[in-house]
Amino acid sequence: DTGVSQDPRHKITKRGQNVTFRCDPISEHNRLYWYRQTLGQGPEFLTYFQNEAQLEKSRLLSDRFSAERPKGSFSTLEIQRTEQGDSAMYLCASSFLRGYTFGSGTRLTVV
Amino acid sequence: DAKTTQPPSMDCAEGRAANLPCNHSTISGNEYVYWYRQIHSQGPQYIIHGLKNNETNEMASLIITEDRKSSTLILPHATLRDTAVYYCIVRAQTGANNLFFGTGTRLTVIP
Repeated sequence: DTGVSQDPRHKITKRGQNVTFRCDPISEHNRLYWYRQTLGQGPEFLTYFQNEAQLEKSRLLSDRFSAERPKGSFSTLEIQRTEQGDSAMYLCASSFLRGYTFGSGTRLTVV
Repeated sequence: DAKTTQPPSMDCAEGRAANLPCNHSTISGNEYVYWYRQIHSQGPQYIIHGLKNNETNEMASLIITEDRKSSTLILPHATLRDTAVYYCIVRAQTGANNLFFGTGTRLTVIP
């Protein structure tokens, strides 16, 4: 299967710890997106890359959130000093032209 | 991107057609209508999109009114596996290309 892969699927962390999630997009997709989804809500856009360039990051929720996409391939989303309110599903999507493909997400629980 | 309005929930009998409405009265001329669905604990899945003509693919049909202010997604023969949250999204083909999700319609297919 050459879909979008996210790792890990689940992460439980203590408040105050740093976490990093990985997304491997479809190989020929040059655009990569991160979304966050809380219970009962639709996904909320966070940031996006075209190749290795981060073209939109104003929607990142705070300066504790950062994302990278070195060499325009996989991407990582890091949350520093996690808070209980960061508990959510973090979704990655990739696209080429118009079509989007989402991964299955990383579910973060901050205890 | 234009805002969309969808009913929060709908039921449909298995084997019958499911008709999911969406209002997008402020849609601009260059904005497409996209439909995605999200099955529990998975990432959103693309269904169909259109600009002003009706569209059909192997999953569904999309009917867009002539004034483009509303649309209907039709699943012709709903199955239990179609139980999901369905999101109607309108967006332009330029700019950041991210998707703005609302809260969608929770479709329950009843045996």
